[in-house]
Amino acid sequence: EVQLVESGGGLVQPGGSLRLSCAASGFIFSNYWMSWVRQAPGKGLEWVANIKQDGSEKYYVDSVKGRFAISRDNAKNSLYLQMNSLRAEDTAMYYCARVRGNCFDYWGQGTLVTVS
Amino acid sequence: QSVLTQPPSVSGAPGQRVTISCTGSSSNIGAGYDVHWYQQLPGTAPKLLIHSNNNRPSGVPDRFSGSKSGTSASLAITGLQADDEADYYCQSFSLSNWVFGGGTKLTVL
Repeated sequence: EVQLVESGGGLVQPGGSLRLSCAASGFIFSNYWMSWVRQAPGKGLEWVANIKQDGSEKYYVDSVKGRFAISRDNAKNSLYLQMNSLRAEDTAMYYCARVRGNCFDYWGQGTLVTVS
Repeated sequence: QSVLTQPPSVSGAPGQRVTISCTGSSSNIGAGYDVHWYQQLPGTAPKLLIHSNNNRPSGVPDRFSGSKSGTSASLAITGLQADDEADYYCQSFSLSNWVFGGGTKLTVL
């Protein structure tokens, strides 16, 4: 069974940093692109970043470029999101998701980031 | 404002059929990129409902179906049930970004 478990969320002041983690199990992690998707309170879904299987390609939504960094450790079956220079508008539930084709076929339960 | 446009809300009575539209442009749906649909039940993570325009993952009832034409796509739900009440999102690819619609809240009357 595919499982994605996020951690690392919390309350942080504007300008601060946070590192999110996602532990993957139930599939061959190194075979898949992975992604972070966020959802602000009461709002819709927003794709944040994607990373290729070997980490050689990374893509970001414009609003986080230069502030967020996606990475992965295939030996540990883990995905990460380093978030710097956080703003109030980054407040959201952050979901880790597995990418298949151009869709997100499995999602974690999310970790809440509050910037205040 | 989302790249893909969905109606904010739709409603229907149990047993009825409802459709949710997703309108894009020549940069995304009209460029040939697939459309995918997600269901988000209250307080839970999104779940893939339809992938690649009209394909249901294992376990998704055949009451759910998708279609795509030109720069738009649609999700149809037949035999509406109370537990279909949720938010539904379309998703595609546009100009090097993965993009979502703004979401549609389905209310079962």
